[in-house]
Amino acid sequence: ETGVTQTPRHLVMGMTNKKSLKCEQHLGHNAMYWYKQSAKKPLELMFVYNFKEQTENNSVPSRFSPECPNSSHLFLHLHTLQPEDSALYLCASSQVKTSGGEGNTQYFGPGTRLTVL
Amino acid sequence: RKEVEQDPGPFNVPEGATVAFNCTYSNSASQSFFWYRQDCRKEPKLLMSVYSSGNEDGRFTAQLNRASQYISLLIRDSKLSDSATYLCVVNDYKLSFGAGTTVTVRA
Repeated sequence: ETGVTQTPRHLVMGMTNKKSLKCEQHLGHNAMYWYKQSAKKPLELMFVYNFKEQTENNSVPSRFSPECPNSSHLFLHLHTLQPEDSALYLCASSQVKTSGGEGNTQYFGPGTRLTVL
Repeated sequence: RKEVEQDPGPFNVPEGATVAFNCTYSNSASQSFFWYRQDCRKEPKLLMSVYSSGNEDGRFTAQLNRASQYISLLIRDSKLSDSATYLCVVNDYKLSFGAGTTVTVRA
């Protein structure tokens, strides 16, 4: 399945490095999301973009910086991370409906497994 | 109280058995819910949507109890391939995820 792709799949970085995670969705959706998943914890929503506009920032530290150049692409820029930031970072997309009815079904990419040394 | 709570398990069951587990949610106004499954080191994938009283899809049945604020997932005739972590998700304009219930089906 290639609806939502993420690169790289694995990343090891030092605390002083700068890196970026990339996500691309091929589903024609209008919303994209970044989640963090740590071991044995629920997925934590980090950022939401609707129609390329950031609509939610869940108190995420500034060392994480999202970028959404268009409705198909989403980046997460990383710098001066901490070891506790090591986790699986998942991108998702959905078609947000302005009217009521069906829920907000999100489709996930395979994730980037990040290790901060 | 957490927004979404699940019994982490693990539920260890033999092939062919029936397994069921619940998920409780805190917001009584929540209208729609999902079950996602997540295999080890993979991304979550949508299993079922739950909009009204429940939903059935083959061997999987999801039920919603609004009065007690929980949804359940029942798996009949378990297969080895059903082994996964099942995530309960509540849709309140954004998705809130439970930590997941792990199911292991043994031969």
